[in-house]
Amino acid sequence: AQSVTQPDIHITVSEGASLELRCNYSYGATPYLFWYVQSPGQGLQLLLKYFSGDTLVQGIKGFEAEFKRSQSSFNLRKPSVHWSDAAEYFCAVVTYNQGGKLIFGQGTELSVKP
Amino acid sequence: SQTIHQWPATLVQPVGSPLSLECTVEGTSNPNLYWYRQAAGRGLQLLFYSVGIGQISSEVPQNLSASRPQDRQFILSSKKLLLSDSGFYLCAWWFYGGSNTEAFFGQGTRLTVV
Repeated sequence: AQSVTQPDIHITVSEGASLELRCNYSYGATPYLFWYVQSPGQGLQLLLKYFSGDTLVQGIKGFEAEFKRSQSSFNLRKPSVHWSDAAEYFCAVVTYNQGGKLIFGQGTELSVKP
Repeated sequence: SQTIHQWPATLVQPVGSPLSLECTVEGTSNPNLYWYRQAAGRGLQLLFYSVGIGQISSEVPQNLSASRPQDRQFILSSKKLLLSDSGFYLCAWWFYGGSNTEAFFGQGTRLTVV
């Protein structure tokens, strides 16, 4: 069955430091991949998405993600974290068989130290 | 433009009472619709999805049910709520359109069972 794994439940980084959030998926073909961010008490906001082509995708708020087929990974990165980036981040995959299911990882909570 | 409405925003219900959460979509036809639950620290769990009127797939056994009486309406129900049904419920649909593929989310319902 298709699945998405975010190995890190909680990550703390210092403001200005670089960030990498991990995401691994299990799927027989190349899926559509997404990263969403959820601030406290807010809904989900799309950061970026990948379908095909260039394996490095740029998103909003200075985020980028790299698709690595050999590792079944789609890690999210940011070169310099801002305090406002503190939030929960979700990796998601759309499987377009069986009518398509949008499946989320467990989420990674990001804390930013001043 | 595509929009998704979900209500109510918050709900406090006693144990054993019924539940009905409604989600409607505008600006599209025959969408894939989803119900998710977000319990504290547990990410977004897919509960139900529907690819058409009357077509419901359940992802996890539980005390809840879903129905799709109209193309753009998706309802989450329970006959008797349990304490463990508390959580944040999100309705979503996704648009499959190649590079324009994207998921849209309602604002969510915070359900507290007391």
